[in-house]
Amino acid sequence: DQQVKQNSPSLSVQEGRISILNCDYTNSMFDYFLWYKKYPAEGPTFLISISSIKDKNEDGRFTVFLNKSAKHLSLHIVPSQPGDSAVYFCAASGYGGATNKLIFGTGTLLAVQP
Amino acid sequence: GAGVSQSPSNKVTEKGKDVELRCDPISGHTALYWYRQSLGQGLEFLIYFQGNSAPDKSGLPSDRFSAERTGGSVSTLTIQRTQQEDSAVYLCASSPPGVRGLKTQYFGPGTRLLVL
Repeated sequence: DQQVKQNSPSLSVQEGRISILNCDYTNSMFDYFLWYKKYPAEGPTFLISISSIKDKNEDGRFTVFLNKSAKHLSLHIVPSQPGDSAVYFCAASGYGGATNKLIFGTGTLLAVQP
Repeated sequence: GAGVSQSPSNKVTEKGKDVELRCDPISGHTALYWYRQSLGQGLEFLIYFQGNSAPDKSGLPSDRFSAERTGGSVSTLTIQRTQQEDSAVYLCASSPPGVRGLKTQYFGPGTRLLVL
């Protein structure tokens, strides 16, 4: 059963516009959420995170929004740049602190067109 | 400083052979994780080491898979009697100490395993 879902396998956006990547989760015990970016032939790179006690976290061009009631989070990239083209993974953690393993979504391939 | 390193970067093996994959975490990181990514899939948790605690092996898919972490640093993931469905990218990650640090994992480039 997929506990973290990224329903859009791909997204294409024009340079300078906003990219919005979405993620849904099913486990209400998750208390920490992360976004990772992955280029081909490289490991995922941590991008931004958010704790369940917040509903927004911003870091430069990247903002993550968390809607706990809807069990939904999103990553906004604005303005989008061609170098942002990569696969973006949403991940969730937290089962009361016993372990810190991450549960990942299947990823969304973002293509930013020049 | 140096990031997480993994070796080999690529491994091709025949069905039934054993393979060992190595991970060198970031210096000072106390937690180490193994994941794998099969074609078209997300990252699947395999095993987690934290300090001297017993590892969380809940993600290992079968008893053909095992991992150890020596001296709290380098880790080796061993797959015995490999099968074609073991073909995947195996990723190692580490995270620094502290409650918040444990939540953020830093990944290596992965080992691409192909079982023929």
